[in-house]
Amino acid sequence: EAGVAQSPRYKIIEKRQSVAFWCNPISGHATLYWYQQILGQGPKLLIQFQNNGVVDDSQLPKDRFSAERLKGVDSTLKIQPAKLEDSAVYLCASSLDRRPSSGNTIYFGEGSWLTVV
Amino acid sequence: EDKVVQSPLSLVVHEGDTVTLNCSYEVTNFRSLLWYKQEKKAPTFLFMLTSSGIEKKSGRLSSILDKKELFSILNITATQTGDSAVYLCAEAGGTSYGKLTFGQGTILTVHP
Repeated sequence: EAGVAQSPRYKIIEKRQSVAFWCNPISGHATLYWYQQILGQGPKLLIQFQNNGVVDDSQLPKDRFSAERLKGVDSTLKIQPAKLEDSAVYLCASSLDRRPSSGNTIYFGEGSWLTVV
Repeated sequence: EDKVVQSPLSLVVHEGDTVTLNCSYEVTNFRSLLWYKQEKKAPTFLFMLTSSGIEKKSGRLSSILDKKELFSILNITATQTGDSAVYLCAEAGGTSYGKLTFGQGTILTVHP
């Protein structure tokens, strides 16, 4: 089974520039998540999609971050303009659906590492 | 605000040692507690715990949840260098399963 795919793996940009990350979840997974992991911390949820609708974006800094999942499959996370404190790993994850159960595991991609200089 | 705290923050042991990692949580609507292992890539799923007192086991790793005292432990016996990683604990609560609240992680280093 193919895992969660993300690109690019690494990106270095200057502050005030923009960047976009792409995620393709595991086939058939209705729920997609974007997490931000700053060095030395645990991941923090930015946004959660159920199919192509937003379930939770309460922790997304909407003045500079945006995300979409137009066709309910792959997703894009954009940052514009970037700040130094946005340097982090951006993890995409997916699960079959939103219900917690022993079989409904959340699978993470390998992350997109962003450095803002 | 939901909160998950892990201890210790880092741990250095030698191969063959047994380690216990701790995770305590304060949440308004507990659903389940999850453990992940993170090497220099994606966090990989280890365990999901929903019921108190029932140990989950996978090889040398085991975990248990205490919903009364609001904590969980992850045990690793006979540690190997390949166990070196960051171990993350997360609580899945609130109105949405996927809104995992993570602890800051425990960095485990196993020396030969």
